[in-house]
Amino acid sequence: QITLKESGPTLVKPTQTLTLTCTFSGFSLSTSGVGVGWIRQPPGKALEWLALIYWDDDKRYSPSLQTSRLTITKDTSKNQVVLTMTHMDPVDTATYYCAHLTFNSRDYIQYFDYWGQGTLVTVSS
Amino acid sequence: SYELTQPPSVSVSPGQTAIITCSGDKLGEKYVCWYQQKPGQSPLLIMYQNRKRPSGIPERFSGSNSGNTATLTISGTQPMDEAEYYCQAWDSTIVVFGGGSKLTVL
Repeated sequence: QITLKESGPTLVKPTQTLTLTCTFSGFSLSTSGVGVGWIRQPPGKALEWLALIYWDDDKRYSPSLQTSRLTITKDTSKNQVVLTMTHMDPVDTATYYCAHLTFNSRDYIQYFDYWGQGTLVTVSS
Repeated sequence: SYELTQPPSVSVSPGQTAIITCSGDKLGEKYVCWYQQKPGQSPLLIMYQNRKRPSGIPERFSGSNSGNTATLTISGTQPMDEAEYYCQAWDSTIVVFGGGSKLTVL
């Protein structure tokens, strides 16, 4: 049974750095064909993809965010993926989700098939 | 940047067929996923690889993708299907979500 859970601060001040941790179980991020992504959702708005890390440590980032604001890392021994986002702004207020990615390298098919419950992060002074 | 366009809202009567579209440039050349999100809940994958349903997703959900448009079809729509629906595709190695469609069953 695959589960994921996000953790981190619920409130950050503008200009601060946000660090979120995704702790998962039921799979290993060292297994081929697996990834973990971060997706956020501002209140009442649509989903927005942020970053993704694969089992082989390949990383992808959303081009829509300011260059180098995001960093994604994994700790396979702890079953955790960490997302850091610098220079937080009130527009970054959102529910942040982490999700398990299944990747079929033969057909290059990939999808987010398990999601965490999400964690609401408010950016305010 | 690549964009996916969905109608903001779709309405359907119970038992009827709901069709939710997702448009993007040459979208038919990409694989599309669909997610269902009910208020206060996390998104749920209901369709991947254009037309494949994960285990546990009812058969009334079906998908297609051709040309510039992907379509999610809900046959015999039930009140429990009222939710926000998001399409998602890959632009090379970048994940793109549509803006979401609110399905109202009335």
